[in-house]
Amino acid sequence: EAQVTQNPRYLITVTGKKLTVTCSQNMNHEYMSWYRQDPGLGLRQIYYSMNVEVTDKGDVPEGYKVSRKEKRNFPLILESPSPNQTSLYFCASSPFAGVDQETQYFGPGTRLLVL
Amino acid sequence: AQSVTQPDIHITVSEGASLELRCNYSYGATPYLFWYVQSPGQGLQLLLKYFSGDTLVQGIKGFEAEFKRSQSSFNLRKPSVHWSDAAEYFCAVGSGGYQKVTFGIGTKLQVIP
Repeated sequence: EAQVTQNPRYLITVTGKKLTVTCSQNMNHEYMSWYRQDPGLGLRQIYYSMNVEVTDKGDVPEGYKVSRKEKRNFPLILESPSPNQTSLYFCASSPFAGVDQETQYFGPGTRLLVL
Repeated sequence: AQSVTQPDIHITVSEGASLELRCNYSYGATPYLFWYVQSPGQGLQLLLKYFSGDTLVQGIKGFEAEFKRSQSSFNLRKPSVHWSDAAEYFCAVGSGGYQKVTFGIGTKLQVIP
């Protein structure tokens, strides 16, 4: 089944404890992106990647890191989480060509609580 | 800078009634426009998209949207709403070429019997 998977789905952590949220897609998509969703603010893009080893900042990159060493994986790293990073996080992927061009496929989300 | 406005945060309609969700965008050139739906506890799913051509776009689940350049709008419509349409709907605008995509804050749709 074509899908975007995220792990973990739920995470409670404490301020300053480094964490990684994994994202993997099995559709051979070139483009991948991370968003956070907060009430009243909609989805805001954190980082995106056009291909392996190519990443760029979105609207709210502060406090986050990403890497794209393999085409299928795009982990989100919070090196020193803070309570204002408590949010619902979505990973998405999209192909560069074909009928699904520009269509983003979203993962199920990761709900993060930073205490 | 591109932006999206969804003026209705919450809408309630009766099952079987028609629906229109409003979306206004700000973008300097021809925009790439999208509507996504998020069911409770789920990720987002694309309903439809507009890049060029016919300004009336058909999507999945019986939804359609019309691009009106003069009004900078891309409103989503459905002639008859079903209870399963209760969800949150997001309008988004992009520049194409996989540059930044900006989402609106969403409209939550409640469907009453």
